[in-house]
Amino acid sequence: EVQLVESGGGLIQPGGSLRLSCAASGFTVSSNYMSWVRQAPGKGLEWVSVIYSGGSTYYADSVKGRFTISRDNSKNTLYLQMNSLRAEDTAVYYCARVDRLRDYSLDYWGQGTLVTVSS
Amino acid sequence: AIQMTQSPSSLSASVGDRVTITCRASQGIRNDLGWYQQKPGKAPKLLIYAASSLQSGVPSRFSGSGSGTDFTLTISSLQPEDFATYYCLQDYNYPLTFGPGTKVDI
Repeated sequence: EVQLVESGGGLIQPGGSLRLSCAASGFTVSSNYMSWVRQAPGKGLEWVSVIYSGGSTYYADSVKGRFTISRDNSKNTLYLQMNSLRAEDTAVYYCARVDRLRDYSLDYWGQGTLVTVSS
Repeated sequence: AIQMTQSPSSLSASVGDRVTITCRASQGIRNDLGWYQQKPGKAPKLLIYAASSLQSGVPSRFSGSGSGTDFTLTISSLQPEDFATYYCLQDYNYPLTFGPGTKVDI
């Protein structure tokens, strides 16, 4: 059974850093494309980043240069390193698997982890 | 970045109603569009991929259509568990962009 479990969220001051983790089971992270999507409180969904199986990465303009997506193949875990955090980064962060066989849709999602950026 | 719009932003419906939600892209995206359902406090769930293909396990009352810039999600007979917010997502190019969502309630 495919499962994604995010962790690492919490309260952080503006300008601070945080690393989110997404532990996967039931499939191999390194063989798949993986994405992060976020949702500010009461708002819609915003795509954040993707990492390809080959290692290429892409980012939303709103986080480019501040966030870094990566993975640890030995732990079958996806990460999102978030630096220079701003109040507008406050959101629930979801990791999702990209299904390359089904038009690169996001077929499995984690339950999300809340990041609150506030002083 | 490709802009996605959805209409309506919200709608009220009853069990058994036929519901149609539209999504429009600011430029052609072939059929590279998915539809997602989200219930309060839960992660989104994939319903439709490639504009019209039903994700495994999703009830057949859900259907999608369209290509290019205009897309539609239809629920043929609304069920109580379908009250949720629906988002379209273009996966034609980066950055991926979601529509603003359509809330379906009673």
